[in-house]
Formats: sequence, structure tokens, C-alpha cells
Amino acid sequence: AQSVTQLDSQVPVFEEAPVELRCNYSSSVSVYLFWYVQYPNQGLQLLLKYLSGSTLVKGINGFEAEFNKSQTSFHLRKPSVHISDTAEYFCAVTLFNNAGNMLTFGGGTRLMVKP
Amino acid sequence: DAGVTQSPTHLIKTRGQQVTLRCSPKSGHDTVSWYQQALGQGPQFIFQYYEEEERQRGNFPDRFSGHQFPNYSSELNVNALLLGDSALYLCASSIDRGSYGYTFGSGTRLTVV
Repeated sequence: AQSVTQLDSQVPVFEEAPVELRCNYSSSVSVYLFWYVQYPNQGLQLLLKYLSGSTLVKGINGFEAEFNKSQTSFHLRKPSVHISDTAEYFCAVTLFNNAGNMLTFGGGTRLMVKP
Repeated sequence: DAGVTQSPTHLIKTRGQQVTLRCSPKSGHDTVSWYQQALGQGPQFIFQYYEEEERQRGNFPDRFSGHQFPNYSSELNVNALLLGDSALYLCASSIDRGSYGYTFGSGTRLTVV
């Protein structure tokens, strides 16, 4: 079975500073990887996904993530954050050839952008 | 283009009662999955419906059941509610069992008292 670990429960950062949210996964087979964002009292919005190909994936709102198979990581980065990026971020995985493609989520990282 | 619609947005139930939550998938999507998100945690997979059948199930008791209708909409039913069932319930729709990703609704906040 696969699992996801988000190493930081909270990440405080000043506006316009760079940020990295860390995600490590465990799986015995190849996986698809996702990052979702959740604003207060809302559902999940897809930021980006890695299915195959280039290991550097660009998403919405200026976010990008890099898939590292040897380190089983999929860290999310943004070079300059805004106050509006304050939210909960979730890393998720699903297996290749999974009949139902269920998502397994990490526990989330709360990004707090300060002025 | 409407996304995933869930109803109701909030509800309060008493222990032992039963509840039904509803989900209308995004237009063109044929698969519906349900997730439970307890406060301060990541979502946990409950089950997925495709072609009106439960295709995959997470580690949830039989008190949790569901249904998918011919128009692809879905219901989640929870019987004999426990305090621990209090959570945000998220519906996610997709094409072909989620091969290319999911679209999530805003969720139903269930409080059991």
C-alpha cells in the first residue's frame, strides 16, 4: 500500500519570499503524484500533477514541483509567495493501473504568508 | 460550466441517526468518489462509484454506503452516526475512474452531537 508524508505541518513565510513544501511517498510500484490546495471552507483545487515525462512540473498560480524517483519525493515550490497563497496544501498519490485510482493524501501543510 | 455540486453544505445530526449526502458530478464526468476529511487531517478515501457500481472501497465500516444513479449523481449514506463521523465530506468526480485527475466539490460539513 502507498503512503504519503508531508514533513511540515506548518510553514510560515514572509510575502515575496520563496517557499518549499516537502512531500515524500512510499510505494512499491510507480505512482501518479498530485498537489492540491484547500482554502478555508472550500474543497480541493488541483495545483499540478505528475503522470510521466519531465520531472519538473509547472502548475497554476506560479507553483511548480519536481519528481525525484530515487528520493521518492515530490516537493512543491514557489519563488515568490503572496498573501493570497495562505492555505492548506495536500500532496497525494495514486497507483498506475489501479482499477479505481483512489487518492492517498498526506496530512497537509498549512502555508502561512505574513506581510 | 458547473463543477461538482454537493448538498447540503452543512448539517447537524444526533448520534444514532442516519444521514444522506448528495453529489452532482461535473458535466461529462462519469465517476464519483467520496472522501472524509476530519479536522486538521488529509482526506481519507471512502469509496468510488463507476457505472453505478462500487468499484473500490477504503477502510470504512459498512455503516457507510452509497449509490450512483444513471445520471452519474451519487449519494453517501451513513447509518448509526457516531461522534467520530463529524467531518467534511468531499465528493470528487472524474472521467474513467480518475485516470487523469479529479475535480472536488466544496464539501458537506457534518456535525454529530
